[in-house]
Amino acid sequence: AQKITQTQPGMFVQEKEAVTLDCTYDTSDPSYGLFWYKQPSSGEMIFLIYQGSYDQQNATEGRYSLNFQKARKSANLVISASQLGDSAMYFCAMREGDLNNDMRFGAGTRLTVKP
Amino acid sequence: GAGVSQTPSNKVTEKGKYVELRCDPISGHTALYWYRQSLGQGPEFLIYFQGTGAADDSGLPNDRFFAVRPEGSVSTLKIQRTERGDSAVYLCASSLSTGSNSPLHFGNGTRLTVT
Repeated sequence: AQKITQTQPGMFVQEKEAVTLDCTYDTSDPSYGLFWYKQPSSGEMIFLIYQGSYDQQNATEGRYSLNFQKARKSANLVISASQLGDSAMYFCAMREGDLNNDMRFGAGTRLTVKP
Repeated sequence: GAGVSQTPSNKVTEKGKYVELRCDPISGHTALYWYRQSLGQGPEFLIYFQGTGAADDSGLPNDRFFAVRPEGSVSTLKIQRTERGDSAVYLCASSLSTGSNSPLHFGNGTRLTVT
C-alpha cells in the first residue's frame, strides 16, 4: 500500500514568491520521521528538512519549512522566496518506528520557478 | 568529508549479462540502503543492511537481484541475467544512526542501461 502520497505532479511558482508542496502519509506507528529531499536535474538526492512525529513545532531550515498537521497526516513543504535554483524534483519520505527501518518515498513533485 | 560513492556512474550491458554495482558509504555509517529509480518516479526501496546482514530485502524484485556487504562497509548489488526492464538509476544511501530521525545520505547513483 502506498504510504506517501504527493498529489501534485508539477508545480509552477514565480521567482521570489512562496510555494507549498503537498505530502500526505499513512502509518499506524506512533513514532515516525518525515523527510523532504530535492533532486535537481543532475540527479543527486539532497536532504532538506526533517520532522519527527513527536515534535511540537514545525521544522524550519532556512527558506524551507514544514507545515506538519499530524491529525490530517500531512507534511507539506513550504519554500519561501523561491529562486531559479529551486527548480527540481521534490520528494517526501517517511521512516517508521524506533528501529532503523527503510525509508519510503512519494512519487515526487516537479517544481519549476519562473523568472 | 567524503560522501557516498557509487561506481560505475554509468553501465551499459547487453540483455542476459551479469552486472555488479558498487557502493562505498560514508565512513562510520552502519546502515546502507539500495534504491532503484525509474525516470520520473520516486526511489523504490530494494534492500537495506544493518552492519553485514540484510535487515530487510523485501524490495528485491526477484531472485536475479542480490546484494552483499561482507565487511559491513562497501556493498555490491548484483544483477544476474539482466533484462531491459532493469534499466534504471540505482541509488545507494547510508545513515549514521538507528532511529526514525536519521536522514539518508545518497550517492550520485549508477545509471544502468540494458540493451
